[in-house]
Amino acid sequence: GAGVSQSPRYKVAKRGQDVALRCDPISGHVSLFWYQQALGQGPEFLTYFQNEAQLDKSGLPSDRFFAERPEGSVSTLKIQRTQQEDSAVYLCASSLIRTTPNQPQHFGDGTRLSIL
Amino acid sequence: SQQGEEDPQALSIQEGENATMNCSYKTSINNLQWYRQNSGRGLVHLILIRSNEREKHSGRLRVTLDTSKKSSSLLITASRAADTASYFCATPIIQGAQKLVFGQGTRLTINP
Repeated sequence: GAGVSQSPRYKVAKRGQDVALRCDPISGHVSLFWYQQALGQGPEFLTYFQNEAQLDKSGLPSDRFFAERPEGSVSTLKIQRTQQEDSAVYLCASSLIRTTPNQPQHFGDGTRLSIL
Repeated sequence: SQQGEEDPQALSIQEGENATMNCSYKTSINNLQWYRQNSGRGLVHLILIRSNEREKHSGRLRVTLDTSKKSSSLLITASRAADTASYFCATPIIQGAQKLVFGQGTRLTINP
């Protein structure tokens, strides 16, 4: 698998439930990003990891959102007590070298989350 | 908040015609990137233009950058039905993580 892999592709949950979204970045990629994309909008930054360190979580909308990357590869985005406004596509992206400009990001196909 | 704005928001043209999309941004950049997103899929990186470049080509794509006007354009020549997608410009925040700030995108439809 050469690309970024996300699972599940679709997730339906009832309001108030907890959900966990998984991202498998490209092997060897140091940087990992999570973005949230509302319908008809561009992606918006949520959080950033450099290896296992979460260096920027300024985009997380509330303390119900939590992300981790314990071994510096796979990452999980967890949303607790989901609300309807959490419905969106959650995109994961990785890039090879940390904080080096002129590096493209490689995106997964996203998880489409629907909160009923 | 989104830094970039694309124009137009939607564009519909006939196959074989050229498509031009514009992007404006607000802050200083070291590069600007264009991505394509097919319906229900992730974003695919198309082309990156550095702040010291004015024009760049890749196949049927031509990107220009005018840092004095804080604007960029993406030209797709000889469009094909497979070019139907949303196109986003993105600028990385210079400090720290180089996180990307996206515009709202242009939805391009190529009619056969």
